[in-house]
Order: sequence, then structure tokens, then C-alpha cells
Amino acid sequence: QKEVEQDPGPLSVPEGAIVSLNCTYSNSAFQYFMWYRQYSRKGPELLMYTYSSGNKEDGRFTAQVDKSSKYISLFIRDSQPSDSATYLCAMSPSNFGNEKLTFGTGTRLTIIP
Amino acid sequence: EAGVAQSPRYKIIEKRQSVAFWCNPISGHATLYWYQQILGQGPKLLIQFQNNGVVDDSQLPKDRFSAERLKGVDSTLKIQPAKLEDSAVYLCASSLEFGETQYFGPGTRLLVL
Repeated sequence: QKEVEQDPGPLSVPEGAIVSLNCTYSNSAFQYFMWYRQYSRKGPELLMYTYSSGNKEDGRFTAQVDKSSKYISLFIRDSQPSDSATYLCAMSPSNFGNEKLTFGTGTRLTIIP
Repeated sequence: EAGVAQSPRYKIIEKRQSVAFWCNPISGHATLYWYQQILGQGPKLLIQFQNNGVVDDSQLPKDRFSAERLKGVDSTLKIQPAKLEDSAVYLCASSLEFGETQYFGPGTRLLVL
């Protein structure tokens, strides 16, 4: 069993829709949770991070963590064509947050104009 | 601020040949990472440097992979000899300090024939 499971998609939704991206994990030691966005032919860029259960909002993006269920989500409201990318969840066992990252496989998202 | 630079962007070699990748991190960033991203998978950490010292190389296949970071700035990753399964994107990332946000370069796409 992989430490981090992520539905690879692909996922296609119309512009303006709400998108839900999810990851599950098995390692209880994971303390820090991140979402990265990766455009084609580019490196990943950090989108959001959180270290506690609950919701964190940043503009159109909301990250949700449920440690009891070992489940994290990223919601995108009012999706735009520019949101088309691969979204990677990443997790770390360290309270430093950005060390020893374990990534999911990524979900390829396409927003249809 | 200039981002993480990597070269070459693409490389095609035959199995058993050698190849080297170069990375120039963001100026002033003490921590440097090399990741391997196989098609359809998330990045996997190969090696992490803090200045010019190795912090973590537990997932580096040391029989064929080597990396160095001279003078704590630029870094090179070498594969010798290459195998078919080494075909992947090799990503370099840097962070200001241990535990800070990682910034990724565009990667080097390697195809081993």
C-alpha cells in the first residue's frame, strides 16, 4: 500500500465549476500537508499548506484536512481555464513542514472554457 | 528574483551511457534538493544538501547516481551508467533554509533508449 494515494484523473470540468481534489494517506506521522500545482513542462509550485485538521482558505482555494480519517482535500471555486494543471498533494512527518516530502501521484485537471 | 535554473532541459541517451544535470538554485538559498519524477508519479526525493553537506541521500541509488554541491551553490547530479528505468524528469529545488518552502526548477527530461 502506498503511503499517499491520489486519484490520477484526468478530471475535466466546465469553467466556473467547483473542483474537489483528494488524497488519502496511511502514515499517522504525517503532520504537514501541502498542495502543489504543476503546469505542463514546469516544476511544481506550492499552492497551499496546513498542519492541522480543519479548513484553510486562500482566495478561490480551500484546503481541508481530516487527520482522524487520514484524508485531505483541495477545493477550487469558480474554476478558470488557467487552473488547468496537475495538482499534487504532499505530506511531511516533520513539524518543520517542508522536509522529507512524500508526494501523491497527481491529478490532472482540465477546465473547459 | 530569478528562479531555480536547470540545464539541459532535455537529454536523450542510450542505456549504459553517462549523463550529468546541472542546477543553479535561487541566490542565497542554503538548502538544495534533487527529485526524480517518473511519468505519472509524484516527485521522489533523491538527495538533499544543506550548503555543501549532504543531509539525506537515503533514496539515492548510490551504485549509479552521484551528486555534489561545490561551494554550497550550484549542484550536479550524475548517472553512470544509465538504465532504461532512469527515464524521468529530474527536478531541482531550493529553499532559503531547512524547513522553508521549496521552489522548483523546470526540470530536465531524460530519455534512456
